[in-house]
Amino acid sequence: DAGVTQSPTHLIKTRGQQVTLRCSPKSGHDTVSWYQQALGQGPQFIFQYYEEEERQRGNFPDRFSGHQFPNYSSELNVNALLLGDSALYLCASSFDRREAFFGQGTRLTVV
Amino acid sequence: AQKITQTQPGMFVQEKEAVTLDCTYDTSDQSYGLFWYKQPSSGEMIFLIYQGSYDEQNATEGRYSLNFQKARKSANLVISASQLGDSAMYFCAMRESYSGGYQKVTFGTGTKLQVIP
Repeated sequence: DAGVTQSPTHLIKTRGQQVTLRCSPKSGHDTVSWYQQALGQGPQFIFQYYEEEERQRGNFPDRFSGHQFPNYSSELNVNALLLGDSALYLCASSFDRREAFFGQGTRLTVV
Repeated sequence: AQKITQTQPGMFVQEKEAVTLDCTYDTSDQSYGLFWYKQPSSGEMIFLIYQGSYDEQNATEGRYSLNFQKARKSANLVISASQLGDSAMYFCAMRESYSGGYQKVTFGTGTKLQVIP
């Protein structure tokens, strides 16, 4: 049984560009959450998707948007990239309010 | 106000010894959940243990146990018989419920544990 998978694992983008990160949840999980983890910090909640809708959102600007597909996979989009967006982006999936399982993350570097 | 506080940025423990990682939390909810995750240098967050706010007994998972003191709002992780592979960042996290049943998980700043041979 595959766990949570994220792609790509590493990404380098230029300031001002747009980026899309992808996440496939663990089999049987229907809820996907995205987190940003800056170097040396704990993960910060970006948003959560359930039934293809954004259900909860953390303190992130509208440049951060997402989508969930009928197969429960999800995308995180970031527009107008800033240097400060450089971080590890983690996707977590869960089912029925149980513990969340995380992917290995996408390390985004903005130059 | 910070909701999850981990006051130990770094800890050292001798191999085969037990170690306690501290976590305090703040919430006005009656129903919440507390988690501990391990993050090796590879970056993946690995679920270790969960404690529900209504659970009367402390959670245990193998060498991991959670010392839950509700009145003091603390949820310390105890690792028994430390192994070299336990060297990693450890994060305490809290899940709170919102209207509609949806949840948000808040993480602490983490504790870096290093196991010494």
